[in-house]
Amino acid sequence: AQSVTQLGSHVSVSEGALVLLRCNYSSSVPPYLFWYVQYPNQGLQLLLKYTSAATLVKGINGFEAEFKKSETSFHLTKPSAHMSDAAEYFCAVRSPGDYKLSFGAGTTVTVRA
Amino acid sequence: EPEVTQTPSHQVTQMGQEVILRCVPISNHLYFYWYRQILGQKVEFLVSFYNNEISEKSEIFDDQFSVERPDGSNFTLKIRSTKLEDSAMYFCASRGLAGGEQFFGPGTRLTVL
Repeated sequence: AQSVTQLGSHVSVSEGALVLLRCNYSSSVPPYLFWYVQYPNQGLQLLLKYTSAATLVKGINGFEAEFKKSETSFHLTKPSAHMSDAAEYFCAVRSPGDYKLSFGAGTTVTVRA
Repeated sequence: EPEVTQTPSHQVTQMGQEVILRCVPISNHLYFYWYRQILGQKVEFLVSFYNNEISEKSEIFDDQFSVERPDGSNFTLKIRSTKLEDSAMYFCASRGLAGGEQFFGPGTRLTVL
């Protein structure tokens, strides 16, 4: 079975500061990992995904994540936060060939001016 | 850009009533999903649907739930007799060819009184 744990339900950063959202996974097989973002009143939008190719994955809006097997982690980062990054972020995992996703609890990001 | 749409955005119902949540997947997609998120909890998989039948369902998806693709465009989730604990945000998702990822709708917030 696959699962993910997101550390920190709420992160507050200053505009221009580093954004770091933590995700650790548990999987019995090599996982596919995802980060989704949800803006208010919108659906879940895929930010980036890891599917066993390059361990450093670049996504949209300047976000990237690094798959670290030794740490079972897939943390999401952005070097410089923008006000428009305020949203809820979800880490998710699935097995190759099994398309149902298992989500973390989500992390709400607020950006201070 | 094609998107998944869901109606209504918010539905309030009395306990014991039937509700139908509607989704219009992306037009050339073949795989359909429902997830839900109870307030403060994780997004959970409910059911997947392909070729007019359920592919997989979670233990949450009991006899009170059903899904249907009544025509070429809609994908519905029916809850026959709603309970207080069915109050949640319900997300529809669709996927195209094998290997493609899921696109999510904005969700329907169901409140059962």
